[in-house]
Amino acid sequence: GDSVTQMEGPVTLSEEAFLTINCTYTATGYPSLFWYVQYPGEGLQLLLKATKADDKGSNKGFEATYRKETTSFHLEKGSVQVSDSAVYFCALGSKDSNYQLIWGAGTKLIIKP
Amino acid sequence: GAVVSQHPSWVICKSGTSVKIECRSLDFQATTMFWYRQFPKQSLMLMATSNEGSKATYEQGVEKDKFLINHASLTLSTLTVTSAHPEDSSFYICSVSRDTGELFFGEGSRLTVL
Repeated sequence: GDSVTQMEGPVTLSEEAFLTINCTYTATGYPSLFWYVQYPGEGLQLLLKATKADDKGSNKGFEATYRKETTSFHLEKGSVQVSDSAVYFCALGSKDSNYQLIWGAGTKLIIKP
Repeated sequence: GAVVSQHPSWVICKSGTSVKIECRSLDFQATTMFWYRQFPKQSLMLMATSNEGSKATYEQGVEKDKFLINHASLTLSTLTVTSAHPEDSSFYICSVSRDTGELFFGEGSRLTVL
C-alpha cells in the first residue's frame, strides 16, 4: 500500500541555518503531496502542497518540489528562525480516496537562537 | 479565522466515564470529516471517517463500540470515548476536507484519563 517515510527527528539547527527535511513516498497512481506543521500547543496547519509532478509548493519561506523520479517531496528553507520550531508532517492523499491522508511519522524541528 | 473548531481542547476524566469531543466545520458544509489520534512522538493515526447521515467507517483495529462517532449534521461530528481508560489518553484531532483536497484541522483535544 501507499506509504510515506520521513527523516527521524529531532532536527536541531541554529537560527539562519539551511533546513532540509526529507520525505519519500510510495504510491499507486498520482497522489497529491502535503506538508503540515504543528506548532507547540496548536493544531495542525497545512504548510504547502503540490498536486502533480514537478510542482513546487511554497509558503512562509518553505519550499518542496514534487519529484516523481525520486518519489520525494523534501521540505527546505534557506534560513530558519526560532519561530519555525515545530513538528512537520509529510503526507500524501488522492481524490480517489477522498483525501484520506497517509502520514509520515513527523519530524520535530528545534531552532536554537 | 478558524475553519474547524474542536471542543473541548483539554479534558480530564476518571476511568470508566465517557467523554464527548465535538468537531464543527465553520466555513463550509462537510459531508466527510476525519478523526485522528496522535500518540506522543508518533504520527497521526486515522481512526475513522465520519459521513454525514450514515455510519462512520472505522479503520482496522479501531473499536467501534469504544469510539462512537456521530455525524448528525453537515457541520458537526462528535467522537465519544466510552468507558475511558488511561490507555485512551491521547490527542484527538478532527479534520474536514474540501473538494480541492485541502484538509482543515481542528485544534485537537487532549484527553487525560485518570
